[in-house]
Amino acid sequence: QKEVEQDPGPLSVPEGAIVSLNCTYSNSAFQYFMWYRQYSRKGPELLMYTYSSGNKEDGRFTAQVDKSSKYISLFIRDSQPSDSATYLCAIIQGAQKLVFGQGTRLTINP
Amino acid sequence: NAGVTQTPKFQVLKTGQSMTLQCAQDMNHNSMYWYRQDPGMGLRLIYYSASEGTTDKGEVPNGYNVSRLNKREFSLRLESAAPSQTSVYFCASSEGTNDIQYFGAGTRLSVL
Repeated sequence: QKEVEQDPGPLSVPEGAIVSLNCTYSNSAFQYFMWYRQYSRKGPELLMYTYSSGNKEDGRFTAQVDKSSKYISLFIRDSQPSDSATYLCAIIQGAQKLVFGQGTRLTINP
Repeated sequence: NAGVTQTPKFQVLKTGQSMTLQCAQDMNHNSMYWYRQDPGMGLRLIYYSASEGTTDKGEVPNGYNVSRLNKREFSLRLESAAPSQTSVYFCASSEGTNDIQYFGAGTRLSVL
């Protein structure tokens, strides 16, 4: 079983839709949770970062962590074509270990 | 703000050739990393350097060597390239090993 599982998609939705991206993880020692966004032929860039259970909101983006279920989510409201990218969840387990999900490719159709 | 700079952006090698991928960061970060990204596999850690003067293996180190030249620079060397090393390589840096990592734009490598 992979330490972090993420549905690779692809996921295609119409502009304005609410998007839900999800990851599950296996190790309860995971402490810090991140979402990276990666545009085509670019490096990943940090989108959201949280270390506690609950919700963290930043504009149209909400990161949700449920440590009891070992489940993290990223919600995008009022999705835009510019949100089309691959989204990677990433979790820090401890020193020197950042574990990535496989990434979900998202397309927002105008 | 340059952030993390990788060179070259693209490279084609023949099997058995050697090359070095260069990475430099201008954020005064202590830790640096090399990842490879393959379709369906996500990002996998090859080597990392927690601080200047130290390097350690990651998940997929075989066929690679690294050098932390100074605090700014961290290079990845392929001594004898193999087709299985065809991938996109990313360098990243962070202030400490539990901190947010910042990525370069990547090097696309093809080994024929």
